[in-house]
Amino acid sequence: AQTVTQSQPEMSVQEAETVTLSCTYDTSESDYYLFWYKQPPSRQMILVIRQEAYKQQNATENRFSVNFQKAAKSFSLKISDSQLGDAAMYFCAYRTPFRNAGNMLTFGGGTRLMVKP
Amino acid sequence: NAGVMQNPRHLVRRRGQEARLRCSPVKGHSHVYWYRQLPEEGLKFMVYLQKENIIDESGMPKERFSAEFPKEGPSILRIQQVVRGDSAAYFCASSPRMTGSSNEQFFGPGTRLTVL
Repeated sequence: AQTVTQSQPEMSVQEAETVTLSCTYDTSESDYYLFWYKQPPSRQMILVIRQEAYKQQNATENRFSVNFQKAAKSFSLKISDSQLGDAAMYFCAYRTPFRNAGNMLTFGGGTRLMVKP
Repeated sequence: NAGVMQNPRHLVRRRGQEARLRCSPVKGHSHVYWYRQLPEEGLKFMVYLQKENIIDESGMPKERFSAEFPKEGPSILRIQQVVRGDSAAYFCASSPRMTGSSNEQFFGPGTRLTVL
């Protein structure tokens, strides 16, 4: 079974600074997808960024980028120029390509990010 | 375009009562997933349904929990004889008919169940 581990329960960053959230996963699959979701106090799950395992290039979405190390099974999220609105829980998630079974997302335990003004 | 809708947003039940949680997927989506989030934890998969079929229920507790996604109407997650340990946020997600393997799951706002 796949597992996703986020080793940092809490992180804090000064506004306008950069912060990196860690995620490692365990799988025997070679093809899969990795995601970072943001969960603000409203509890709505918001997709931040997605990475396909077959792509060597790291995904980037504006201030958000990932460092995907497939051999090390590591998938960290970097947030540049942090803003107060970035404060939230962040979840790393893993999914295999579509099949009838096993298509679910497997989530890590989350990292609470606090942004100091 | 309406996203995934869940109702109610908050549900309070006493021990032993039944809880019914509803999920209307994005229009045109035929795949629904239910996840549970216990306090201070990540989301855990419960069940995956397509219209009129349960595809994967490997995350569903064996007793008291059931799910359906009828041909017409929303998907329903039903919890019978609730206990305090069922208190959690329940999220529904939907994805479109599979035309490729990278389809994103769109999440609803969740239903927070509190069992007194």
